[in-house]
Amino acid sequence: NAGVTQTPKFQVLKTGQSMTLQCAQDMNHNSMYWYRQDPGMGLRLIYYSASEGTTDKGEVPNGYNVSRLNKREFSLRLESAAPSQTSVYFCASIQDSPSTDTQYFGPGTRLTVL
Amino acid sequence: RKEVEQDPGPFNVPEGATVAFNCTYSNSASQSFFWYRQDCRKEPKLLMSVYSSGNEDGRFTAQLNRASQYISLLIRDSKLSDSATYLCVVMRGGYQKVTFGTGTKLQVIP
Repeated sequence: NAGVTQTPKFQVLKTGQSMTLQCAQDMNHNSMYWYRQDPGMGLRLIYYSASEGTTDKGEVPNGYNVSRLNKREFSLRLESAAPSQTSVYFCASIQDSPSTDTQYFGPGTRLTVL
Repeated sequence: RKEVEQDPGPFNVPEGATVAFNCTYSNSASQSFFWYRQDCRKEPKLLMSVYSSGNEDGRFTAQLNRASQYISLLIRDSKLSDSATYLCVVMRGGYQKVTFGTGTKLQVIP
């Protein structure tokens, strides 16, 4: 049982380049999330998907797009990377309700934008 | 004022010591509270939920004080393996209303 997987683990981009971060979960969870973690800032929610077919903005959505491809997969796309997007990105999934259910996190993607 | 605040530490304690962390939250509409543990360069993992009546899991005790708007985590008989950053998480309705604290770093010393 792999839980939540993320690819790639590390990535270096130049300003203006685009890329997609992949996330998949094998726990049959309904809800999936993308966070970024920066020093001194805590984890901040970028986008979430409460169920297959729906996506909504979180606290810091600018510069990102997401796709809930199916129940298992939730991708995060940077269309034109900026140095301010240098961060560690975590994907997470929850069975149903974030108020009661455990969030399971992937191992993270460490992104550097030069 | 930040919605969730934690003392960043580090808290350096000897093995076997008891240590307590607090986390304050500013929004009185907050409904659900959690403590997560994050090891260096790893993903956060749920340590425990925090219930109104307080709850205990082995050496760990979590409490909620709604009147003063804070939650606490007490670790008894600290182990070297407890060294990590402890994240406070507060939720107030809706999937997007989740706020993580910046974390408190604990270092248990032999």
